[in-house]
Amino acid sequence: NAGVTQTPKFQVLKTGQSMTLQCAQDMNHNSMYWYRQDPGMGLRLIYYSASEGTTDKGEVPNGYNVSRLNKREFSLRLESAAPSQTSVYFCASSTGLNSPLHFGNGTRLTVT
Amino acid sequence: ELKVEQNPLFLSMQEGKNYTIYCNYSTTSDRLYWYRQDPGKSLESLFVLLSNGAVKQEGRLMASLDTKARLSTLHITAAVHDLSATYFCAVNYGGSQGNLIFGKGTKLSVKP
Repeated sequence: NAGVTQTPKFQVLKTGQSMTLQCAQDMNHNSMYWYRQDPGMGLRLIYYSASEGTTDKGEVPNGYNVSRLNKREFSLRLESAAPSQTSVYFCASSTGLNSPLHFGNGTRLTVT
Repeated sequence: ELKVEQNPLFLSMQEGKNYTIYCNYSTTSDRLYWYRQDPGKSLESLFVLLSNGAVKQEGRLMASLDTKARLSTLHITAAVHDLSATYFCAVNYGGSQGNLIFGKGTKLSVKP
């Protein structure tokens, strides 16, 4: 039972490079989320997808794009990485508002 | 804008002692979540509190919600080392899945 799977686990980018973080869940959840976690800041929502075919901005969407490829997969793209995007990124999924989030293991991204 | 404040942010306690972590929030909400994060790991759901007066217990942890006071507490009874982790509360407002705000976390260290 894999739950929420994120790839890659670690990534180092140079400023200006692009990359896509992948996330897949096998729990048949409708909703999926991307968060970033920075020291002393808690978790901040980047984008979310309440259901297949929809995406919405969260608290800190600038510099990111997302794609809800199908019900299972929700990817996060950095078009031109900046040092301020150095962070740990978590993907999560849930059945809905009254249910908790199930988190992936995170991607540790460093932008130099 | 919803603000979620946890206190204390750091807590060092001895095994066997009791303590309470507080989560205050600034806007009406009736959905509050508690998560645990071990160092370098993902977040794990502990409790989902969906109504005023809700109380949930799991082992040495008990969470409660007072929506009128806009306050949730996470009470630790007879702490053990295994409870050492960072604890986050998260509050949903406005009925939208995008409106989930995390506190900054309480880093708990339980010493023998």
